[in-house]
Amino acid sequence: GESVGLHLPTLSVQEGDNSIINCAYSNSASDYFIWYKQESGKGPQFIIDIRSNMDKRQGQRVTVLLNKTVKHLSLQIAATQPGDSAVYFCAENRGDHHLVHGGTSYGKLTFGQGTILTVHP
Amino acid sequence: EPEVTQTPSHQVTQMGQEVILRCVPISNHLYFYWYRQILGQKVEFLVSFYNNEISEKSEIFDDQFSVERPDGSNFTLKIRSTKLEDSAMYFCASRTSGVLYGELFFGEGSRLTVL
Repeated sequence: GESVGLHLPTLSVQEGDNSIINCAYSNSASDYFIWYKQESGKGPQFIIDIRSNMDKRQGQRVTVLLNKTVKHLSLQIAATQPGDSAVYFCAENRGDHHLVHGGTSYGKLTFGQGTILTVHP
Repeated sequence: EPEVTQTPSHQVTQMGQEVILRCVPISNHLYFYWYRQILGQKVEFLVSFYNNEISEKSEIFDDQFSVERPDGSNFTLKIRSTKLEDSAMYFCASRTSGVLYGELFFGEGSRLTVL
């Protein structure tokens, strides 16, 4: 789940285990959600996204689940590898896109606090 | 694979000095963004830019900040008079046009340290 201030939630798993990272979002008007991975000293890297008209989407080794009723998003990583160790952020994009922005508001994301995933060999 | 590039990777400056952070978005992208991340905290939206003008800006993006696309490739963030609290990682991002929910590509970031 989310945390306050500098104390990020942490998740430690063994290599090969499945990981589940959770995120609570705040804006019921959000219609697009993304998971990003951030390795130390690098920028956020896109993992997977989901639109609000879906409740599940699968990628390679990753699955995102969306529960709009409780405003909850989760990222499942199958067969976690040491290279998956990073900070994982969920991000949401709210639905009030105005034509005057020419579509730029689709790139205006609100990020969650992040979860530190550590994978032990 | 095309990428967003940022320079400098790290800049140290004195409080009150002007700083310019530079970004080269992916070449066929038309929507540009700056985000920042204070150490250990979440990534925060600063500003979006399209068609040579600011589309949206956050409360953080006050009069000390400005953005510019001086030519066909660069996208810059200027902080006129830096404050200690401006110390952060600044990320440039871009996305393509014509895609409703297109991926937002981030650069590696520019770390700004204000002393």
